[in-house]
Amino acid sequence: NAGVTQTPKFRVLKTGQSMTLLCAQDMNHEYMYWYRQDPGMGLRLIHYSVGEGTTAKGEVPDGYNVSRLKKQNFLLGLESAAPSQTSVYFCASSSTGFFYMNTEAFFGQGTRLTVV
Amino acid sequence: SQQGEEDPQALSIQEGENATMNCSYKTSINNLQWYRQNSGRGLVHLILIRSNEREKHSGRLRVTLDTSKKSSSLLITASRAADTASYFCATAFYNQGGKLIFGQGTELSVKP
Repeated sequence: NAGVTQTPKFRVLKTGQSMTLLCAQDMNHEYMYWYRQDPGMGLRLIHYSVGEGTTAKGEVPDGYNVSRLKKQNFLLGLESAAPSQTSVYFCASSSTGFFYMNTEAFFGQGTRLTVV
Repeated sequence: SQQGEEDPQALSIQEGENATMNCSYKTSINNLQWYRQNSGRGLVHLILIRSNEREKHSGRLRVTLDTSKKSSSLLITASRAADTASYFCATAFYNQGGKLIFGQGTELSVKP
């Protein structure tokens, strides 16, 4: 059981380039999330999805787009990368939302992105 | 910010000692969770405590929740070098829908 898998694990981009990060989960989870982690900032939510075909903005959505065409996949796109987007990106999934249900999040291993 | 705030930001102890980390939040919650992150890895769920619970145990972990003070603590007893990691509290707030919001974390170093 792979859980949550992120690809790629590392990437270096030049300013202005575009790329897509892929997150795949095999737990049939409805909810999926993209976070970024920066030193001293903890994890900040970029975008999330509450089911196939849905997406919503998190705390720091600017400069990113997402798509959830298949239930098991959640894609994070950077259309025109900027140095401020240098970060470690984590994907997570959960079976339900967190407020009403006592569920946990499952995380991928992260993608370390550097924009030069 | 409605996210959890953790204290201390960094903690260094000797193997065998206990480690206590604290988390405070600002609005009503239904549950609060703690996660561990080893260097360079993803987060791993440790324990969840419901708002109607005051204390919960899992192995060497003890979590308390004080909803009147809007705070939680994570105690790791008899720490080991392998406990060296960052620890995060996380919760969902009613007006934030189904999203999980994380604190900034406590970096724990356990010296052998």
